[in-house]
Amino acid sequence: DVKVTQSSRYLVKRTGEKVFLECVQDMDHENMFWYRQDPGLGLRLIYFSYDVKMKEKGDIPEGYSVSREKKERFSLILESASTNQTSMYLCASSFIQNEKLFFGSGTQLSVL
Amino acid sequence: GQQLNQSPQSMFIQEGEDVSMNCTSSSIFNTWLWYKQEPGEGPVLLIALYKAGELTSNGRLTAQFGITRKDSFLNISASIPSDVGIYFCAGREIGANNLFFGTGTRLTVIP
Repeated sequence: DVKVTQSSRYLVKRTGEKVFLECVQDMDHENMFWYRQDPGLGLRLIYFSYDVKMKEKGDIPEGYSVSREKKERFSLILESASTNQTSMYLCASSFIQNEKLFFGSGTQLSVL
Repeated sequence: GQQLNQSPQSMFIQEGEDVSMNCTSSSIFNTWLWYKQEPGEGPVLLIALYKAGELTSNGRLTAQFGITRKDSFLNISASIPSDVGIYFCAGREIGANNLFFGTGTRLTVIP
């Protein structure tokens, strides 16, 4: 079974802090994604990557950046956290582009 | 990006009842996926559909790729308490790379 592991289930940060959310997948998938989930808005794509050192903006990239130095790891970075970035963050990976995404358990981030 | 219209937003049903939910888009899709998210977990893929008119089952779950290619349906028969969760549709437009997700249907099953 594919395993997508997110480093933290819950995080509490202060406004202005730099935040790192880590994601690791163990199935040698080329494609990795970061989504945020908010009530009533579903899942919205922040950034994605189809290869090492490659990144593409999703629908809501503002305030975020990403890093993919190794194939199995995809990091989401909040350079200066703000309260409107309080959300559930979901990492996903896939073998074929944008089909059958496998999700991690999510990180619930609260920015105070 | 496009947002899919998923309905209903929430459902409260008695155990044993059947459930229907649907998802519509404004453009033609070539892929429809249905996911379930349980509390505290990430979404898990239930069913994938790739052809207009396709009908696919996974146990008590059945999903269909609409003939117009602008909609998809998910049915759950004889619901049980462990069916509780949020069900998301996701789809991909022809020629596009990204998946779009619906806003979710929150299902509550009353024993």
